[in-house]
Amino acid sequence: DAKTTQPTSMDCAEGRAANLPCNHSTISGNEYVYWYRQIHSQGPQYIIHGLKNNETNEMASLIITEDRKSSTLILPHATLRDTAVYYCIVRGTTSGTYKYIFGTGTRLKVLA
Amino acid sequence: DTEVTQTPKHLVMGMTNKKSLKCEQHMGHRAMYWYKQKAKKPPELMFVYSYEKLSINESVPSRFSPECPNSSLLNLHLHALQPEDSALYLCASSQGKANTEAFFGQGTRLTVV
Repeated sequence: DAKTTQPTSMDCAEGRAANLPCNHSTISGNEYVYWYRQIHSQGPQYIIHGLKNNETNEMASLIITEDRKSSTLILPHATLRDTAVYYCIVRGTTSGTYKYIFGTGTRLKVLA
Repeated sequence: DTEVTQTPKHLVMGMTNKKSLKCEQHMGHRAMYWYKQKAKKPPELMFVYSYEKLSINESVPSRFSPECPNSSLLNLHLHALQPEDSALYLCASSQGKANTEAFFGQGTRLTVV
């Protein structure tokens, strides 16, 4: 399984962009990068995923480097409700079954 | 509808009890997952069912017994648990295809006394 490395914690001012980095240097060519967040012991919430192109949806943007060894999740205008633990996941497979293995995540605190 | 429903939300059980956790989804997803999450730790994968067959068991002790009665339902049967098994148990489901995501339930908070 490809391992991910994220900063333990980050702060961001409300209204500013939050840029959360993730390293996944052992990623394989067909493995997708997923981002989830978890707010105070609720279930993880899906944010975005991508393979090699940059992706954008209503929640965030995902920038994947050309060599695919790292990515950045961008929350364009962070609000207090974005305070959460953000997990970067490289989705692996075992016997053809996809599995989502969580790393330690980044605890993002949005400050008023 | 992207909802994964877990019941109960909270469960307290004794070490000699037998109980079950339930997970349900009506999105037509064919892969379903159980995770265990201890406080301040990331979720840890326990089991994966694919097309109602157990596909992945991450060396989970036999006191945890999963069951997938049909494509919409996933159970986790609990027997002879220890206090250290107290955790948040999360269920997830996905289409099981390449460019798709998994959706998680809100979890069952289990306390073993």
